[in-house]
Order: sequence, then structure tokens, then C-alpha cells
Amino acid sequence: AQTVTQSQPEMSVQEAETVTLSCTYDTSESDYYLFWYKQPPSRQMILVIRQEAYKQQNATENRFSVNFQKAAKSFSLKISDSQLGDAAMYFCAYRRNQGGKLIFGQGTELSVKP
Amino acid sequence: EAGVVQSPRYKIIEKKQPVAFWCNPISGHNTLYWYRQNLGQGPELLIRYENEEAVDDSQLPKDRFSAERLKGVDSTLKIQPAELGDSAVYLCASSLFPGPTYEQYFGPGTRLTVT
Repeated sequence: AQTVTQSQPEMSVQEAETVTLSCTYDTSESDYYLFWYKQPPSRQMILVIRQEAYKQQNATENRFSVNFQKAAKSFSLKISDSQLGDAAMYFCAYRRNQGGKLIFGQGTELSVKP
Repeated sequence: EAGVVQSPRYKIIEKKQPVAFWCNPISGHNTLYWYRQNLGQGPELLIRYENEEAVDDSQLPKDRFSAERLKGVDSTLKIQPAELGDSAVYLCASSLFPGPTYEQYFGPGTRLTVT
């Protein structure tokens, strides 16, 4: 069975600084997707970034980028130029290539200090 | 384009009472998911529908939980009777399958408190 682990329950970053959130996963499949979701207090899950396992190039979305290490089964999220609006719970998630359920990690609560 | 709609947003009930949650997916999305998110944890799948068919309900506690998706659009998740441990956020998501990425879009969730 696939598992996702986030070992940082809480992280803190100064506004305008850079922070990295860690995620590891376990799977025997070779083709899959990895995601980072943001969940603010409103509870709405918002997709931050997506990575296809078959792509070697790390995904980037504006201030958000990932470091995908397939052999190590590691998938970290880097947030550059952190903003107050980035404060939220962040979840790492795994999904098989052909759709199906998302498997989430336990989450990392990010706080941003002004 | 309207997103995934869920109601109610909040529900407080006493244990042993029934409760129902409603979800309206994004128009045209044929796949619908119900997840449960316990406090301080990530969501876990309860049931997944492709059109009207429940294709993955292995994590649904069938002794008290039931779900339906009539006409392959709206869905209702029911708990009867509710237990204290059912207090959680219930999230609905939808996606298009097959699709370019099968990306799932989430609703705002229903926070259930059982007293």
C-alpha cells in the first residue's frame, strides 16, 4: 500500500524569506502523480503544484517549486518570498497515474511572521 | 465556472441522531469522491463514484454510513446513527475521468460535531 509521510507538524518562516516543507512517500508503482495542497482555515483544499513521476524536471508555479527525488521517494515544496497569505496547512498527496483516490500525508502547518 | 458545492457547512448533532451531507460536483465531472478529515490529519477516502457506480467504497463503514449518487450528478452521504468519533470534516471532490490529469477539485467541506 502507498503511504505519504510529512515529518514536520509545524514550520515557521519570516515574511519574504524562503521555506521548504518535506514529504516522503512509499510506493511500488513507477507511474504516479504527487501534489501539494494548501488548506487555509476556510477548509477549502487548493492545489498548489503537481508533479508527474515520469517527468525528471521539477515543477514550478510562480513562487512555489518542488524538489522531486524519485529514487529517494522524496518530494519537498519550496516557497520563495513567503507572504502572509501563504499561512495554512500544507498537505502532500500521492495518486496513481490512472486516477483514483488521493493519499494524503498528515500535514504541515505553516505560519508566516510579518 | 462554479466549483464543488457542499451543504451544510456546519452541523451539530447529538450522538445516535442521523445526519446527511450533500454535494454538487463541477458540471461535467463524472467522478465524485467523499473524504473524511479528522482533526489534525489529512483527508482519507470514504467512497469514490464513477458516474452512478461506487467503484471504491472499501473504507466506508457500511454499518452506519451510506451514500448515493443519483443520475451521476449530486451525491448524498448519510450517517445513521452518528457516533462521537464521527466528528470530522467531510470533503467532497470531483474530477473528470479520463482527463488530462484527473485533477480533483474540492468543495469547502462540512464540519460535523457530534455531542
